[in-house]
Amino acid sequence: SAVISQKPSRDICQRGTSLTIQCQVDSQVTMMFWYRQQPGQSLTLIATANQGSEATYESGFVIDKFPISRPNLTFSTLTVSNLSPEDSSIYLCSVANRASYNEQFFGPGTRLTVL
Amino acid sequence: TQLLEQSPQFLSIQEGENLTVYCNSSSVFSSLQWYRQEPGEGPVLLVTVVTGGEVKKLKRLTFQFGDARKDSSLHITAAQPGDTGLYLCAGRRGGSNYKLTFGKGTLLTVNP
Repeated sequence: SAVISQKPSRDICQRGTSLTIQCQVDSQVTMMFWYRQQPGQSLTLIATANQGSEATYESGFVIDKFPISRPNLTFSTLTVSNLSPEDSSIYLCSVANRASYNEQFFGPGTRLTVL
Repeated sequence: TQLLEQSPQFLSIQEGENLTVYCNSSSVFSSLQWYRQEPGEGPVLLVTVVTGGEVKKLKRLTFQFGDARKDSSLHITAAQPGDTGLYLCAGRRGGSNYKLTFGKGTLLTVNP
């Protein structure tokens, strides 16, 4: 399985600001995903990060609020813009390879608190 | 609409007891995964089942995929405090759809 790191591991932000989260993988992967996990809840897919093209967003998530970059096959960023307390969550990136779409591996997550 | 229903939502047991967690859906999945998540960490993949009726064992954990590929169960024998965590099932619908749909999770606490 791939080794996935996320930065920062946690942050406390003021409302109205933005936070950019980085996801780095130790090997090239086909697919990268961003999820949100609100306190005490399960995982909700935000978007699929596509290398060299615009991310594919799920219903309820928009690019203006959650811009995503994926410049290469090992790295992606998620920005959470115009923060409000409702954005307080754990944000997780995950990866999968074309050879085994059934298996996704997750990073350790970024815990965001918005005051 | 929650495609994957997990039960129970919370489970607190004593060390040495057995338990079963269920994951049910009205939809067919091409594969189903079980993850365990500990506080402050990302989910860790435990197993993937892809064939209807498939049974996989991982030490004291037994995973079963329903014959119709709509449901799955996780059975833990002789639970230990180290088994404590959030257990999540996730299904993939198949084809070119790579997305996973997650259940709400079962929070298991094993008391010494």
